[in-house]
Amino acid sequence: GAVVSQHPSRVICKSGTSVKIECRSLDFQATTMFWYRQFPKQSLMLMATSNEGSKATYEQGVEKDKFLINHASLTLSTLTVTSAHPEDSSFYICSALNQGVWMETQYFGPGTRLLVL
Amino acid sequence: AQKVTQAQTEISVVEKEDVTLDCVYETRDTTYYLFWYKQPPSGELVFLIRRNSFDEQNEISGRYSWNFQKSTSSFNFTITASQVVDSAVYFCALSEGTGGSYIPTFGRGTSLIVHP
Repeated sequence: GAVVSQHPSRVICKSGTSVKIECRSLDFQATTMFWYRQFPKQSLMLMATSNEGSKATYEQGVEKDKFLINHASLTLSTLTVTSAHPEDSSFYICSALNQGVWMETQYFGPGTRLLVL
Repeated sequence: AQKVTQAQTEISVVEKEDVTLDCVYETRDTTYYLFWYKQPPSGELVFLIRRNSFDEQNEISGRYSWNFQKSTSSFNFTITASQVVDSAVYFCALSEGTGGSYIPTFGRGTSLIVHP
């Protein structure tokens, strides 16, 4: 089946630094990718929809200047957490939409655990 | 508006017991999709099933079965003869199928603990 990768899988950084997370669709092209955040023992919350070649669409309450999304190619979307703070520590999951002939299918990446010290 | 309710926060069973995870949803759309995902401790979401709103047939896949009832807006998931490896958080999700929106809304998840 279709595969979506994320890199890095884990990252620890100091407060105030920026962290970039990559999301790649490995065997299909994805014009649309999604970024989710999941706090411990909680559900996945959609942060933004990443569209290839255009600006991302952010969900209400998500700071677009803090969570920069770039979808420069049909197989890569990046999420940059700028000036990270401890409260940004979370599990970030991306997904990519595979637009098949009959239906669209969403494939999730393995997630990235971010710990901000 | 979409809403997915998984009322069971945590379920604890002993191996070989059957367990049912409940999912109740709300949507005004007539076309929608329902999903179940498994999230083991590693964190990676594992897709289990997708069902569209026009297909109310129950589904069985090995020890897994799903009961979709539009009359009660429920899409329950049963694991038969549970195993320790079934221990995970299970998410039910809903997405509207019209308007090109396939972004699922996730329930809060049910943590299943299977004891040996």
